Amino acid sequence: DQQVKQNSPSLSVQEGRISILNCDYTNSMFDYFLWYKKYPAEGPTFLISISSIKDKNEDGRFTVFLNKSAKHLSLHIVPSQPGDSAVYFCAARAGAQKLVFGQGTRLTINP
Amino acid sequence: NAGVMQNPRHLVRRRGQEARLRCSPVKGHSHVYWYRQLPEEGLKFMVYLQKENIIDESGMPKERFSAEFPKEGPSILRIQQVVRGDSAAYFCASSAQQMGGILYNEQFFGPGTRLTVL
Repeated sequence: DQQVKQNSPSLSVQEGRISILNCDYTNSMFDYFLWYKKYPAEGPTFLISISSIKDKNEDGRFTVFLNKSAKHLSLHIVPSQPGDSAVYFCAARAGAQKLVFGQGTRLTINP
Repeated sequence: NAGVMQNPRHLVRRRGQEARLRCSPVKGHSHVYWYRQLPEEGLKFMVYLQKENIIDESGMPKERFSAEFPKEGPSILRIQQVVRGDSAAYFCASSAQQMGGILYNEQFFGPGTRLTVL
């Protein structure tokens, strides 16, 4: 039962353009959503989060959008840079502290 | 300000041996979580602990796996009688406690321990 889904295993974007990573969830009890970035052989690094009472949160080049009616969130990175190449995980939380992760999307930024 | 520390980074065990994975949370963090990542998959929650207490172990296999977070020292994830299917990356994360009515949700992850069972 995959409660958090990232349907695109990989995404390739030109440097300088916008990267859009998508995430869908099924559990309407989720109240907090997070995006993590992960390089090989390292732990996930927290990027940005959003509470279910908001629909947008922005931090520098990163913006997360939440559409509760569609149970969908997305991460926008603009402009994309080569250092953004990594695996991105969407995660969600429902009251309790544990996080439920998606499968990840491998983002490649091409020069 | 040191982040989450995990050791060892790599651990090789033969079937039937025991594996002990250690996690030192961010200084001042009292909440610790363990996750497991199988190849080409996302992270799966295993257990959530506060000092001396297991809060949620709903993701832990019923047998062979145990976790603790003592009053002093690191959190330990222990796997007894390892099998090949236990081979994975094990990540520890920590978060701050509730302060002033605000719960800090961000979990900060360690670099992981890669367990290989021969």
